Amino acid sequence: QSALTQPPSASGSPGQSVTISCTGTSSDVGGYNYVSWYQQHPGKAPKLMIYEVSKRPSGVPDRFSGSKSGNTASLTVSGLQAEDEADYYCSSYAGSNTYVVFGGGTKLTVL
Amino acid sequence: QVQLVQSGAEVKKPGASVKVSCKASGYTFTSYDINWVRQATGQGLEWMGWMNPNSGNTGYAQKFQGRVTMTRNTSISTAYMELSSLRSEDTAVYYCARETAVAGTFDPWGQGTLVTVSS
Repeated sequence: QSALTQPPSASGSPGQSVTISCTGTSSDVGGYNYVSWYQQHPGKAPKLMIYEVSKRPSGVPDRFSGSKSGNTASLTVSGLQAEDEADYYCSSYAGSNTYVVFGGGTKLTVL
Repeated sequence: QVQLVQSGAEVKKPGASVKVSCKASGYTFTSYDINWVRQATGQGLEWMGWMNPNSGNTGYAQKFQGRVTMTRNTSISTAYMELSSLRSEDTAVYYCARETAVAGTFDPWGQGTLVTVSS
């Protein structure tokens, strides 16, 4: 059982927006602004899409955005495209002992 | 460009050990921690631990304490993860990832190494 809770699946039609949630506790998501989101296509390594809750690495389209409220972080993908179909994982820094926790992943389907 | 290249797939018997390598290029190896994350088939990501390539200091997830060892060879910019007393549940793809200046943020990742534990 993963430390962070994500919905197993999400879907949307091309051009639509979809939001994926990631719920933790005050010891991880709620306690630090170090939430990241990773995109993983089948058979590939994860790719960093969002860090520090809402920042985008260079090269990541601005269709991807992140936010946080309390113990829940969210990833929004706007203007869905076929290539956005992938698994998405959230992670959070959780202090010097536990260090990093991941969500169980959400499979995003573009209808 | 920053790149992490891992060693090839391994097949091990229960009780054996495996050592996976992760060769870094495109940046100063000793400037960023290397973390290891594994993923069983069809499952989510599981953090295993971190290593500071400069000092050699390490930190391991409690689940792997006593079974995992992370080391490095700075002369060839390579990090290693050794997992001992393998069991079938350790069958997974093992990734190395560079930790950025932001705690718990990993970019980029290696391509992954499949470790299969089977009798």
